[in-house]
Amino acid sequence: EAAVTQSPRNKVTVTGGNVTLSCRQTNSHNYMYWYRQDTGHGLRLIHYSYGAGNLQIGDVPDGYKATRTTQEDFFLLLELASPSQTSLYFCASSVGGAMEQYFGPGTRLTVL
Amino acid sequence: GEQVEQRPPHLSVREGDSAVITCTYTDPNSYYFFWYKQEPGASLQLLMKVFSSTEINEGQGFTVLLNKKDKRLSLNLTAAHPGDSAAYFCAVIGQGNEKITFGAGTKLTIKP
Repeated sequence: EAAVTQSPRNKVTVTGGNVTLSCRQTNSHNYMYWYRQDTGHGLRLIHYSYGAGNLQIGDVPDGYKATRTTQEDFFLLLELASPSQTSLYFCASSVGGAMEQYFGPGTRLTVL
Repeated sequence: GEQVEQRPPHLSVREGDSAVITCTYTDPNSYYFFWYKQEPGASLQLLMKVFSSTEINEGQGFTVLLNKKDKRLSLNLTAAHPGDSAAYFCAVIGQGNEKITFGAGTKLTIKP
C-alpha cells in the first residue's frame, strides 16, 4: 500500500498569508493529487500531476498553485490565503491516472 | 463532465441491521468504481473496488452492486457493527479520464 505523508498536519494563518502544504509519497507512483474536503461537497480536486515538473489543473484551482518538484514531492501553495480556503486538504497518489488513489492523513488549514 | 450523486447524506442504523448507500453517475462510459471509508478524524481508506466487467463484489462485510443500465452503484452492509461507523464515499472513473469523481459522502452511524 502506498505511503503518503503530509505536513504540517495543522496550520493556522491569517487572511493574506502565505502557506505551503507538503506531500510526499514513497511508492514511486506517477500521479499525485491535491483535494480539499468540505462538508456537503465531498472531495474536490484542486490540482494534480503525472510526474516531476508536470502540473494539471483540477476542478477548483482558483487561489491555489502547485508544484511537483520530484517523483515523490508535491506542494500546494496559497499565496494570499482567504477564509474561504479554510478546509481539510488531502494529498493522494496513484500508479496511473485511472487507478485507485491512496490518501495521506490530511492537513487542516484555518485562515482567520 | 462526470457528476456523481450520493444518497443519503446521513444514515443511522442499529447494530446488526443492514444499510444501503447509493450513488448515481452520469457518464455511461464510466468503468471503474470505488468505495472509500473515512473514520472520524482519519484519512480515506480504499474499501472496495469494482470494474465494469463485474457487477458484484464482496468483502469486509460489504457487498458492492453495479447496475450499468441505471448508472447506479450501491454499497450494501448486511449486518452493521460499531466499527462500521464512518463516512463513506463512492468514486467513479470515466473512460479516458485521469480523474476520479467523488460523491459527497454518507455519514453512517451504528447505534447499539
